Amino acid sequence: GENVEQHPSTLSVQEGDSAVIKCTYSDSASNYFPWYKQELGKRPQLIIDIRSNVGEKKDQRIAVTLNKTAKHFSLHITETQPEDSAVYFCAASHNSGSARQLTFGSGTQLTVLP
Amino acid sequence: NAGVTQTPKFQVLKTGQSMTLQCAQDMNHEYMSWYRQDPGMGLRLIHYSVGAGITDQGEVPNGYNVSRSTTEDFPLRLLSAAPSQTSVYFCASSYSDRGGYEQYFGPGTRLTVT
Repeated sequence: GENVEQHPSTLSVQEGDSAVIKCTYSDSASNYFPWYKQELGKRPQLIIDIRSNVGEKKDQRIAVTLNKTAKHFSLHITETQPEDSAVYFCAASHNSGSARQLTFGSGTQLTVLP
Repeated sequence: NAGVTQTPKFQVLKTGQSMTLQCAQDMNHEYMSWYRQDPGMGLRLIHYSVGAGITDQGEVPNGYNVSRSTTEDFPLRLLSAAPSQTSVYFCASSYSDRGGYEQYFGPGTRLTVT
């Protein structure tokens, strides 16, 4: 099955700096890569996603890059703000059984220091 | 729209007890799934369904049963609770199982098994 590894597990940055979270995946058939943000005690919410036919996607201060050859993708947050503090999960979508499944990374706790 | 709803929010069970976690969505989504979230392990897929009457196992199905009699509801049953099932459980739904469709998560159920 698919295996998604996520690094780092914790990340602290100063407000205004950039944050980068990296993930690798094992199944070359995976073609959809979402990122979720989970605030303490809340549900995960999609913040950005990318498909395998695109190398980069940007939405305001958030961007995701994908390297299919190396099987890794990254989340970039620029001009970080205290409200960006949360756990971020990457995921990869692959075929298994009768349907496609999402396999999640183990998460990155991002802390933005004021 | 209420989106994805889950009940109960909190539950304490004794080892060996059984219970059902409820999940409902009002978005007419075909794909529904159950995840468990444990510290440092991200979200792991338990069971999923691509439509009424169709279910399949995910990564960690042992000790859990599901059924899908309607498009709206996807209950998760714990047959004989064990301490290892202490976790936060999230139900999710999406328009399709194909990659590229956002998964919407419910608010979660925090389960403790003593």
